[in-house]
Amino acid sequence: KQEVTQIPAALSVPEGENLVLNCSFTDSAIYNLQWFRQDPGKGLTSLLLIQSSQREQTSGRLNASLDKSSGRSTLYIAASQPGDSATYLCAVTQTGANNLFFGTGTRLTVIP
Amino acid sequence: DTGVSQDPRHKITKRGQNVTFRCDPISEHNRLYWYRQTLGQGPEFLTYFQNEAQLEKSRLLSDRFSAERPKGSFSTLEIQRTEQGDSAMYLCASSSPGTDRQTQYFGPGTRLLVL
Repeated sequence: KQEVTQIPAALSVPEGENLVLNCSFTDSAIYNLQWFRQDPGKGLTSLLLIQSSQREQTSGRLNASLDKSSGRSTLYIAASQPGDSATYLCAVTQTGANNLFFGTGTRLTVIP
Repeated sequence: DTGVSQDPRHKITKRGQNVTFRCDPISEHNRLYWYRQTLGQGPEFLTYFQNEAQLEKSRLLSDRFSAERPKGSFSTLEIQRTEQGDSAMYLCASSSPGTDRQTQYFGPGTRLLVL
């Protein structure tokens, strides 16, 4: 059974810092990996999707990398802002499946 | 395109009552998913529809849970004889049949509290 782990569980940084969030998964037979953002009490917003054949994806200040063979992904956030404060979730889609397997998330606080 | 909507946003019920939630996907999205999220955890998959056909069901979906998607548009999730352990956020997501089909778009969720 696929297990997705995110470290750290919580992170506080001062505004302007660059930061890295980590995600690991146990079964490398994945179709894709996605990073989501969740604000308190709200639904999820898709940030980036990386196909299993890709190494990275970029959107604005966000860069996600994927090392499928080692079962790892990172989300890099450049020049963090208070508005980036949220929980960040990574999720994988297994090859041949349709649903997402989620990690437990990293709660990020950016201090002004 | 107004996004995925869910109704109600909050529901408080007593143990043993039945509850029903509704999800309206993004128009023309033929795939629809239900997930459950408890406090401090990531969402867990419950069930998946392609058009009106329910193609996958998680073992989390006990016989007290039933989901439908008549006519392949909106979907309902019903929980019968609710238990305190059913308290959670129920999230709906949809995806399109086109090139963006891998991206799931989530609704705001329905938060259920069973007393």
